This record gives sequence, C-alpha cells and structure tokens, in this order.
Amino acid sequence: NAGVTQTPKFQVLKTGQSMTLQCAQDMNHEYMSWYRQDPGMGLRLIHYSVGAGITDQGEVPNGYNVSRSTTEDFPLRLLSAAPSQTSVYFCASTLAEGAGNTIYFGEGSWLTVV
Amino acid sequence: TQLLEQSPQFLSIQEGENLTVYCNSSSVFSSLQWYRQEPGEGPVLLVTVVTGGEVKKLKRLTFQFGDARKDSSLHITAAQPGDTGLYLCAGAQSGGGADGLTFGKGTHLIIQP
Repeated sequence: NAGVTQTPKFQVLKTGQSMTLQCAQDMNHEYMSWYRQDPGMGLRLIHYSVGAGITDQGEVPNGYNVSRSTTEDFPLRLLSAAPSQTSVYFCASTLAEGAGNTIYFGEGSWLTVV
Repeated sequence: TQLLEQSPQFLSIQEGENLTVYCNSSSVFSSLQWYRQEPGEGPVLLVTVVTGGEVKKLKRLTFQFGDARKDSSLHITAAQPGDTGLYLCAGAQSGGGADGLTFGKGTHLIIQP
C-alpha cells in the first residue's frame, strides 16, 4: 500500500531557484493539503485542495503555488526559493470532510535553501 | 487565527510513570485529533474526538475532549520506552479538518528505561 508518496525526500536549493515537491496518493482521496513543519512552530497549512481543479490558500501560502489537475497528484511549487522556506514539508490526504475520515500524511520532504 | 497551546513542550520521565499532555485554545473546534510523529516520518493519527466531554481509550492512552470543545488532554498510564515520540494535537474548524488543521507545537516525550 503506497498511501501518500512524496518526492524528493531531501533537496538542497540555492536562493532564487525554483523547484516542485511532488505528492501523489493512490487512495482516491478528494482532499489533499500541504503543510510545513518548523522547529518550535508545529505544522502550518500552506495550501489545500477539495478536489481536482480546486485549490485554496492556507495559513502560510506566500512563495508557494499549487495545482490539482488530477485527483491523485498535488504538486507544490516554489517559484523563487528563499532561506525562510527551509523546512520539512508534509503532504496529506483524506477521503472526505467529516470527523470520521482519517487524514494520512506522507513521510515528508526535507528542503534546505542556501 | 485559531491557536492551540500544547503543554508541556518537553517531558522526560521514567518507565512506569504516568503523564498528561494538555492542548488548550480559546476557540471552539468541531473536532480535535491527536497524532504521534516519529523522527523522519509524518504524523500518524491516534484518535479523533468530536463530542464535548468525550473520552476515548487506546490501550494505555486516554484522550479527553473538554465540555466546551476548546481543550483536550492525553493521559498515558504506565509509560513505556515505546511511547517515546512527538505528540501533536490538531483542531478542525469544520468536520474532520480535511480543509486544514490547526496544530499545536507538539510535546516531545522521552520515556527512559
């Protein structure tokens, strides 16, 4: 069972470079989201999607773009990386809204911007 | 912006002791979830509480949702080294939080043999 798959696991970028963090789920989940986790800050929501073609901003969306062209994939794009974007990024998915639905997280992508 | 205050931030105790982790907010949540996170991995859901006053048990772990749905606690009885990890509480503004969760900063728990 693949669940939520994130790639790459580790990445080092230079300031100003762009890159895409990939997220794929094989559970036919409608809802997907991206969080970043920083020391002493907990997880913070970047963007989320309630279905293919629909995305919305979370708490910390600046510097990030997302798209949801298919149900399975939800890539996170950094257009011009900054050192402040050094973090661990987690993608999550769940079948539907409702407290009975489990939210599944990927294993994380460690990004360092130098 | 809804905030979740989690305490303590760090806790190191001996095997066999009991402990309680608290998660408090001034805001009402539709549901509250507790996660455990191991180093190098993503959070894994332990439990979801929905009803004010609800108590759920998962082996030696007891979770409680406050009557006003603003706070929650996690109590571990007779802690074991395998309980070591980062525990996170997360609140949902609506439903189960599929459109985003508000996380506490986490409690780093170390159980010493």
